Amino acid sequence: SQQGEEDPQALSIQEGENATMNCSYKTSINNLQWYRQNSGRGLVHLILIRSNEREKHSGRLRVTLDTSKKSSSLLITASRAADTASYFCATGGGGYQKVTFGIGTKLQVIP
Amino acid sequence: EPEVTQTPSHQVTQMGQEVILRCVPISNHLYFYWYRQILGQKVEFLVSFYNNEISEKSEIFDDQFSVERPDGSNFTLKIRSTKLEDSAMYFCASREPGLAGDLDTQYFGPGTRLTVL
Repeated sequence: SQQGEEDPQALSIQEGENATMNCSYKTSINNLQWYRQNSGRGLVHLILIRSNEREKHSGRLRVTLDTSKKSSSLLITASRAADTASYFCATGGGGYQKVTFGIGTKLQVIP
Repeated sequence: EPEVTQTPSHQVTQMGQEVILRCVPISNHLYFYWYRQILGQKVEFLVSFYNNEISEKSEIFDDQFSVERPDGSNFTLKIRSTKLEDSAMYFCASREPGLAGDLDTQYFGPGTRLTVL
């Protein structure tokens, strides 16, 4: 299955620092997505990167994709306390396809 | 910005009771999905729905579950006889029609927290 597995599972940083989360997956993909979930809340789509892209930016977010290593990373620059959340990578989603989520990285940004 | 909405936000029910979870997908979307997340675990796919029929379902989606699009706006998940292990957050998602690429993005609702006692 196209399962994303994130590491680290938990990350604690000071406000203003950068946060990097990694994701690995098992099969070939058309795209990879990152979602954020605040504690006990819904899933917010952050960014989608296609399999033919290597890097994508959105505001303070930078996502990279290495299809040869079946891995992706999410970088949040100049983190804020409001970035505290769980971050999930996910694969699939095209057509009828389900989205398959990893276990997530729990990010805590300390003010 | 349009968004997926879900009601209720929290549902408490007794084991064996029927529950219906409601979702209003984004208006021009044609693909609909239900997922669930048991506390502390991964988000798991339940079912996808397109053109008024189920496209794919997971092993979790057994005969106790059903989905329906009763009108042009609502998309519901029914659990006929709830079990303790059905306690979870249930997410509805929708996707617009079109080619692959960014249109693969599924937009999720805020979830319904189901507690089965």
